[in-house]
Amino acid sequence: LPVLTQPPSASALPGASINLTCTLDSEHSSYTIEWYQQRPGRSPQFIMKIKSDGSHIRGDGIPDRFMGSSSGADRYLTLSNLQSDDEAEYHCSESHTLSGQVGWVFGGGTKLTVL
Amino acid sequence: EVQLLESGGSLVQPGGSLRLSCAVSGFTFGSYAMTWVRQAPGQGLEWVSAITGDSVRTYYTDSVKGRFSVSRDNSQNTLFLRMDSLRAEDTAVYFCARTSRGAMDYWGRGTLVTVSS
Repeated sequence: LPVLTQPPSASALPGASINLTCTLDSEHSSYTIEWYQQRPGRSPQFIMKIKSDGSHIRGDGIPDRFMGSSSGADRYLTLSNLQSDDEAEYHCSESHTLSGQVGWVFGGGTKLTVL
Repeated sequence: EVQLLESGGSLVQPGGSLRLSCAVSGFTFGSYAMTWVRQAPGQGLEWVSAITGDSVRTYYTDSVKGRFSVSRDNSQNTLFLRMDSLRAEDTAVYFCARTSRGAMDYWGRGTLVTVSS
């Protein structure tokens, strides 16, 4: 199964930019991933899908200060002009088909603190 | 407006059963696959199960195979998750999500399942 690795925490000041990273294992380095934002006490919200070529599609209502990119096995979510409302857990995920069975794997999540 | 609302979570003893429901509105339910995702207290997200729009194919994570069963009633715009032989490690908030091309693009608020004696 694919493995997605995320740093457990990140922090930045309001108004700054930050890159959140989701790293695929080498066997699955070309996979498309999705990013989700989960504010405290809330359900996850779909942010975007990012392909290996860096192209990305945002979810409904996601502002363009949320950008996506790729480099090798790394998938990045870049948040610019950070706001206090961006403080949340960010999860990456991928879907796969293995022996005819569809499944999803999530990374461990990154807790973003806006200082 | 797309809306999903889970229900059916409660406190249940180990070995017991529950059926979760997810009522949806705001989109053509039968045109979308649906997934269940859970989140244990203080933990990350874990995919549990998925079902295609026509109910032809269902999928489960290994830890729930043989114990959980996903189904849907497209005439009632409702998704279900039948959970049997519940274990302490099944304790979590269970979310339903609309799924499109692998992305879970809309989520419900979740329902809490607690397995404890």
